[in-house]
Amino acid sequence: AQSVAQPEDQVNVAEGNPLTVKCTYSVSGNPYLFWYVQYPNRGLQFLLKYITGDNLVKGSYGFEAEFNKSQTSFHLKKPSALVSDSALYFCAVRDDDYKLSFGAGTTVTVRA
Amino acid sequence: DAMVIQNPRYQVTQFGKPVTLSCSQTLNHNVMYWYQQKSSQAPKLLFHYYDKDFNNEADTPDNFQSRRPNTSFCFLDIRSPGLGDAAMYLCATSSPGGVANEKLFFGSGTQLSVL
Repeated sequence: AQSVAQPEDQVNVAEGNPLTVKCTYSVSGNPYLFWYVQYPNRGLQFLLKYITGDNLVKGSYGFEAEFNKSQTSFHLKKPSALVSDSALYFCAVRDDDYKLSFGAGTTVTVRA
Repeated sequence: DAMVIQNPRYQVTQFGKPVTLSCSQTLNHNVMYWYQQKSSQAPKLLFHYYDKDFNNEADTPDNFQSRRPNTSFCFLDIRSPGLGDAAMYLCATSSPGGVANEKLFFGSGTQLSVL
C-alpha cells in the first residue's frame, strides 16, 4: 500500500524566513505525490503535484517541492514565508484506485 | 466560481437522528469521494464513486451510506449519528486519465455536530 509520513506535527518560522515542511513516502511503482493546504474550517486546496518529469515542482502561492527518489522524500518549501501561510499542510499519495492517502498533517505557524 | 459545492456548511443533528449531507459539482468529473476529517487530523476516505460504481472502504461503518443519482450530485447519509461521528465531511472530485488531471478538487466541507 502507498503511504506518506509527515514527521513534524508543527513547524514555526518567522515571517520572511524559509519554510520547509517534510514528507517521506513509501510506494510500489512510480509515486504520484501531492501537497494540499487547509485553512481553518475550510476544505483542502491543491498546492502542487509530482507525477513525472523535473524533480523540482512549482506550485501555487510561491510554494515548491523537491522530489528526491533516493531519500524517498517530497518536502514542501517556500523561500520567504508569510503570516498568511499559517495553515495545516497535508502531503498525499495516490494509489492505483485513484484514491488519495494523506499524511497526518503539519501545522505551520508563521509569526510576524 | 465554486466547482465543488457542499451544503449545508454547518449541520447540527441529534444523536440517532438520520442526516444527509450533499455535494454537487460543476466539473463533470467521473469520480466523487467522501472524506471524514476529525479535529485537524488527516482526512479519512469513507467511499468513492467511479461513475456509478460504488467503492466502500473496508473500515467504513455500515452507518454511513452514499448515493449518487447523477454525475453532478452525491449524498452522504448517516443513518444513526453517534457522538463520534461529529466531524468535518469533505467531498472531492477527480477526473482520472492523463497527467494533467491528477488532482482532487475539494469542497469547503460540512461541519457536522451531534447533540
